[in-house]
Amino acid sequence: GQQLNQSPQSMFIQEGEDVSMNCTSSSIFNTWLWYKQEPGEGPVLLIALYKAGELTSNGRLTAQFGITRKDSFLNISASIPSDVGIYFCAGQNNNAGNMLTFGGGTRLMVKP
Amino acid sequence: GAVVSQHPSWVICKSGTSVKIECRSLDFQATTMFWYRQFPKQSLMLMATSNEGSKATYEQGVEKDKFLINHASLTLSTLTVTSAHPEDSSFYICSARGETGVQPQHFGDGTRLSIL
Repeated sequence: GQQLNQSPQSMFIQEGEDVSMNCTSSSIFNTWLWYKQEPGEGPVLLIALYKAGELTSNGRLTAQFGITRKDSFLNISASIPSDVGIYFCAGQNNNAGNMLTFGGGTRLMVKP
Repeated sequence: GAVVSQHPSWVICKSGTSVKIECRSLDFQATTMFWYRQFPKQSLMLMATSNEGSKATYEQGVEKDKFLINHASLTLSTLTVTSAHPEDSSFYICSARGETGVQPQHFGDGTRLSIL
């Protein structure tokens, strides 16, 4: 199915560094979601964004819903080893059966 | 809140066996549940959308007779992989969303299915 363009595909950073990843789409979404998936587990919801321009934080994580409703970014500040995992963005439209369209994922590796 | 439980977490079985996977929303009622398949190092692929009390809607290319979905209550959906073969080996993940307002999907922990 359709995927969002998520970048970068992977990142290998030093502990303490900040991280930024983003998703873009040719379609408008009503909701943007960011999930983290660790090996052998299902995705865990990190942040949900419901309004264009919305900026939301969850601890060291900050995400924004783009004004055009076609993009979103996720920032992680002062990364730690337990931030390792795959981060997925997802767009959702309430008038499309509430199905999610996923990005390809960003694999984050943190060097202690 | 918003806990989704998936069982079993890992299945290994012989070719030709049918396997049932359960997905339960533990602390909320889910009118809609979703079933995904994920291959290694890839994103999640939606297989079907399951609504309580009605037939599931399958994505293009997903065989409904192969992947039987039942959503008998507001807290339980099941996926049965019938006559499984090695090519059906994958990571299957369910998700559920609440019935009111704008709710995000919450995912189960997934089921790793290995067919020998």
